[in-house]
Amino acid sequence: KNQVEQSPQSLIILEGKNCTLQCNYTVSPFSNLRWYKQDTGRGPVSLTIMTFSENTKSNGRYTATLDADTKQSSLHITASQLSDSASYICVVSAPSGGSYIPTFGRGTSLIVHP
Amino acid sequence: DAGVIQSPRHEVTEMGQEVTLRCKPISGHDYLFWYRQTMMRGLELLIYFNNNVPIDDSGMPEDRFSAKMPNASFSTLKIQPSEPRDSAVYFCASSAQLAGGPINEQFFGPGTRLTVL
Repeated sequence: KNQVEQSPQSLIILEGKNCTLQCNYTVSPFSNLRWYKQDTGRGPVSLTIMTFSENTKSNGRYTATLDADTKQSSLHITASQLSDSASYICVVSAPSGGSYIPTFGRGTSLIVHP
Repeated sequence: DAGVIQSPRHEVTEMGQEVTLRCKPISGHDYLFWYRQTMMRGLELLIYFNNNVPIDDSGMPEDRFSAKMPNASFSTLKIQPSEPRDSAVYFCASSAQLAGGPINEQFFGPGTRLTVL
């Protein structure tokens, strides 16, 4: 069964600090991996996407890494800001009938304190 | 474009009542997805459509749930009869199949928060 496991479940850090979120998956075959940010009361918004051949992808202060061999990904947030407080969801997609069916992780809840 | 539009944003109903959630996808997108999100289970894919045709409804929890997409700009998710355990946030998302490439980002609506008493 395709699964996506994220850790930690929740994280509290001080503004300005860095943090790293983890994602392990068993989805096969693999198509792509996305990290989403979901603010409270809103729908998820895509931060980065990586395919099998990509190891690193950056989006401002967000940097995602992918190790397709070990089936692990991480999302590193640099110099955190209060607005980074949100849930971060790892999504791994597998090809299916011309489309790509996502398997969602449960998310990591990040709280940034001033 | 206004993005994916969902209505209502909040719905409170009593057990046994019929609930209809509505979604307008982004114009030009040919895929539409319905999700349910709870604290316990996270985001779950319920059903998705391609060109208005249901492709995979294996995530629909029970026969009480049904979804339709009568045209490219409108979809509904209906629960009849509703039960307290259906309380959740229901998201609609749409995406477009990119020419020559498999990567299709899903754009999510704001969600409908459903409470069944």
